[in-house]
Amino acid sequence: EAGVAQSPRYKIIEKRQSVAFWCNPISGHATLYWYQQILGQGPKLLIQFQNNGVVDDSQLPKDRFSAERLKGVDSTLKIQPAKLEDSAVYLCASSLGSPLHFGNGTRLTVT
Amino acid sequence: QQPVQSPQAVILREGEDAVINCSSSKALYSVHWYRQKHGEAPIFLMILLKGGEQKGHDKISASFNEKKQQSSLYLTASQLSYSGTYFCGTDSGGSYIPTFGRGTSLIVHP
Repeated sequence: EAGVAQSPRYKIIEKRQSVAFWCNPISGHATLYWYQQILGQGPKLLIQFQNNGVVDDSQLPKDRFSAERLKGVDSTLKIQPAKLEDSAVYLCASSLGSPLHFGNGTRLTVT
Repeated sequence: QQPVQSPQAVILREGEDAVINCSSSKALYSVHWYRQKHGEAPIFLMILLKGGEQKGHDKISASFNEKKQQSSLYLTASQLSYSGTYFCGTDSGGSYIPTFGRGTSLIVHP
């Protein structure tokens, strides 16, 4: 079984620029999650999709972050404009209920 | 609300045992344990459900005390491959979506 695929692996941008991350979940997994993991901390849930609908986006900073999951498969997370405090690893996970299967993440550095 | 993990870090020699604790201020439906190696994805270890149970595979096991809102992860006769950061995730609403603690760094030396 292929795992959760994420790209790019690394991204360095300047503050106020925009950036997008892509995630391809495990085939057949209806639920997709985006987590933010700041260095030295545990992953924090940003948004959860069930198929192509949003289930929970209560912790997503909606003034600058957006996410979509077209056709209920791949997903894109965007940040516009980026701030220094957005530097983190952005993890995508998918599941058929539980447990969560994580991708290797995108490490974002905002300078 | 984020669970509290202790200790923050553990350094062991191969063959030694370790215990990692996780506590919550809320009643829990489930507790999830993951391990993450540097630069890699968190990997699922086990889930414990409401009802107070103990689970394990190989030399890694866990317990869940529902009344105390606590879980503990036990690593017996540690191996070099056990090194990594261990996260507990708690679910208080029955969604089985974990809220993760800050993690416990485990280093196993030869």
